[in-house]
Amino acid sequence: DIVLTQSPGTLSLSPGERATLSCRASQSISSSYLAWYQQKPGQAPRLLIYGASSRATGIPDRFSGSGSGTDFTLTITRLEPEDFAVYYCQQYGYSPTWTFGQGTKVEVK
Amino acid sequence: EVQLVESGGGLIQPGGSLRLSCAASGFTVSSKYMNWVRQAPGKGLEWVSAIYGGESTYYADSVKGRFTISRDTSKNTLYLQMNNVRADDTAVYYCARISGSYLDRWGQGTLVTVSS
Repeated sequence: DIVLTQSPGTLSLSPGERATLSCRASQSISSSYLAWYQQKPGQAPRLLIYGASSRATGIPDRFSGSGSGTDFTLTITRLEPEDFAVYYCQQYGYSPTWTFGQGTKVEVK
Repeated sequence: EVQLVESGGGLIQPGGSLRLSCAASGFTVSSKYMNWVRQAPGKGLEWVSAIYGGESTYYADSVKGRFTISRDTSKNTLYLQMNNVRADDTAVYYCARISGSYLDRWGQGTLVTVSS
């Protein structure tokens, strides 16, 4: 089974700073099958990025995704107050299965 | 507007049964693949089960043989029947709509607590 490892576990930044979140897969995966979600306390996850780099409907362009093979990145160019949350990457497998990373918390420094 | 609303969670004893519901609006559950995903308190997301067209169903190893996913097209509702529950089934359970390889709409979740 493919394992997704996210780093860092916690990212402490100030509003206006750039956030770079990493998601590493234990084996190569198709970029088409990599997604990112945002989850705020007490809320359901929200789809941000699918196909590694396509923004979901209504997602601001300060969010971008990139990567291929085993290494994927979510970048938030300038953190807004509402961006402080936990972010998960997710991979789709053919069984089918959906595998999530353990999450990266972006917190206010 | 697409909306998913879960219900049916609560406190249940180990070994007991519970059925979760997910009422959909803005689309028909029979026309989409649907998932259940859970999140233990303070933990990350874990896929639980999926239902595809033709009623093909899939389960995580942790729930296989104990949980059953189904849907009622007349009520436009997705279900998760949970039998022989264990303490490690304690979690918020989310239903989510599948779009290709990702989950594009999520419900607000319903909490299941397994405890004696």
